[in-house]
Amino acid sequence: DSGVTQTPKHLITATGQRVTLRCSPRSGDLSVYWYQQSLDQGLQFLIQYYNGEERAKGNILERFSAQQFPDLHSELNLSSLELGDSALYFCASSVGGRGPYNEQFFGPGTRLTVL
Amino acid sequence: AQRVTQPEKLLSVFKGAPVELKCNYSYSGSPELFWYVQYSRQRLQLLLRHISRESIKGFTADLNKGETSFHLKKPFAQEEDSAMYYCALLIDNYGQNFVFGPGTRLSVLP
Repeated sequence: DSGVTQTPKHLITATGQRVTLRCSPRSGDLSVYWYQQSLDQGLQFLIQYYNGEERAKGNILERFSAQQFPDLHSELNLSSLELGDSALYFCASSVGGRGPYNEQFFGPGTRLTVL
Repeated sequence: AQRVTQPEKLLSVFKGAPVELKCNYSYSGSPELFWYVQYSRQRLQLLLRHISRESIKGFTADLNKGETSFHLKKPFAQEEDSAMYYCALLIDNYGQNFVFGPGTRLSVLP
């Protein structure tokens, strides 16, 4: 698959735990974006990395963190999980990192369930 | 604060009828607006952006700064247009920080 890939597809865990979600961008894309989609909040932008550096920050909680590695894959770490963190977490990637012409391509998402 | 609203959660139209998905925004800067679509069992994807003034799959959207709107229109709806549609506002030109609307589910009936 030459598109954006995310692992795992599904994750079930308990409150208070910590999980790591992984995203591999499309080949050649330098930017990675993370989004959270929940019934309460809708689709929310969390954070963007461009070539390893943080580029833009949205509504990301302090309990959440992300990084982009030298091979450009990214990980989103969610800690001290709460029931309200249950959501679909999307990753997207793009060639560039800015501007309205820079198209993002989305992954299939990771469904996180916190019990 | 920047905000995007889509007043209709669900919109049902018959095949061949015109369709309009409403989007309003509030933003103090110069708005860059987009429509994203998610078909059943598929990934979220860009449909169109106002800056390109494009028409994709028969859809168009015009930015009306006076009414702070960016409604999505199609003159003749097709069954394959059934999907979830999100209006999005780009609020950070250095990066790409989008504010998304809550989405409208379009159902095109045969």
